[in-house]
Amino acid sequence: AQSVTQLDSHVSVSEGTPVLLRCNYSSSYSPSLFWYVQHPNKGLQLLLKYTSAATLVKGINGFEAEFKKSETSFHLTKPSAHMSDAAEYFCVVSPSFSGGYNKLIFGAGTRLAVHP
Amino acid sequence: EAGVTQFPSHSVIEKGQTVTLRCDPISGHDNLYWYRRVMGKEIKFLLHFVKESKQDESGMPNNRFLAERTGGTYSTLKVQPAELEDSGVYFCASSPDRTGLYTEAFFGQGTRLTVV
Repeated sequence: AQSVTQLDSHVSVSEGTPVLLRCNYSSSYSPSLFWYVQHPNKGLQLLLKYTSAATLVKGINGFEAEFKKSETSFHLTKPSAHMSDAAEYFCVVSPSFSGGYNKLIFGAGTRLAVHP
Repeated sequence: EAGVTQFPSHSVIEKGQTVTLRCDPISGHDNLYWYRRVMGKEIKFLLHFVKESKQDESGMPNNRFLAERTGGTYSTLKVQPAELEDSGVYFCASSPDRTGLYTEAFFGQGTRLTVV
């Protein structure tokens, strides 16, 4: 069975400093992994998707994530936080062997606060 | 192009009443998904439509929940009778690709349901 664990429920950074949101996964096969973001009163937006191509995945708004099979991790990073990055972030695994968007499994979410 | 739209954005009802949530997917998207986030828990899959057919309803919690997608356009999710534990945020998503492989799923902003 697949599962995903987000290691921090809240992360607080200063504007201009790096962001690291941690995610570990469990999967019986090579998974497809996603990061979604939800800004207040908005829908969930896809940041990036890993599907067994390059292990370093670049997403929108300067975010990227690195798939590390040996560590079963898929941490989300950004070199320099912006105030507009304040939101809730979800690490997600697809249980579909083909990596589709059906029946996604979400982590508990990490709330990112960015301070001036 | 309009995104996925959900109505209402908020609903407060009394235990035992009936509530109907509506989701308008992006035009032309055959795949429609319902998810929900109960307070303090992860976002969980409820069901998946392909056009008007239920492809997978394994996440529906019990028979108080009824989802329909007549004509393969908008979908409704009815809760009857509502219980306190049904409180949470209900998300709808849609995607054009039947397999879900090649395109992302676009999420609505969610309906916040509070049962008192």
